[in-house]
Amino acid sequence: DAGITQSPRHKVTETGTPVTLRCHQTENHRYMYWYRQDPGHGLRLIHYSYGVKDTDKGEVSDGYSVSRSKTEDFLLTLESATSSQTSVYFCAISWREGTDTQYFGPGTRLTVL
Amino acid sequence: DQQVKQNSPSLSVQEGRISILNCDYTNSMFDYFLWYKKYPAEGPTFLISISSIKDKNEDGRFTVFLNKSAKHLSLHIVPSQPGDSAVYFCAANAGGTSYGKLTFGQGTILTVHP
Repeated sequence: DAGITQSPRHKVTETGTPVTLRCHQTENHRYMYWYRQDPGHGLRLIHYSYGVKDTDKGEVSDGYSVSRSKTEDFLLTLESATSSQTSVYFCAISWREGTDTQYFGPGTRLTVL
Repeated sequence: DQQVKQNSPSLSVQEGRISILNCDYTNSMFDYFLWYKKYPAEGPTFLISISSIKDKNEDGRFTVFLNKSAKHLSLHIVPSQPGDSAVYFCAANAGGTSYGKLTFGQGTILTVHP
């Protein structure tokens, strides 16, 4: 168990509302990632962080923003949720960049009506 | 542009037999490859990895083979067990300044029948 929690685990919201998902780690890992999983696409990287206040965009970053004010927390925000953002969201952590294993949290299932 | 592809959406195998899951990639910058296993309602869990300097890596019942010239990797599970039934994802990393970003395949659903 890699010491990663995600909250909430499930959320139903309406189109146009803001949503924030939280990832919390107890491992003091430097690198954190947000992915979304959709049928037929596997997992796709949304944003990642390589340190406190250091973040960058991934493959599918449109409509999402992130913040990392502490090593242990990485927040994903949907400023104005859309139905296309209905998905399962996973947070991951790793100790080093490059050839290092990423460990995943349990996921958040988000439904946007 | 799918840089990592798992062309078989599903695979069905009898308990005790070998399961072979395949993955193809197009980006020649990828130099580290991983396999993850995912059960429903859980996050992916790491299974095994291989660096591009190797062509084989074993861990118990799991072996990953890498063919760099063909840009192809495979995961062998021997013998297969019903508890292996899950979705399997291959993933690739370009190393260097990629900050560990992973590119995943679409996944293959493995079903192992008792």
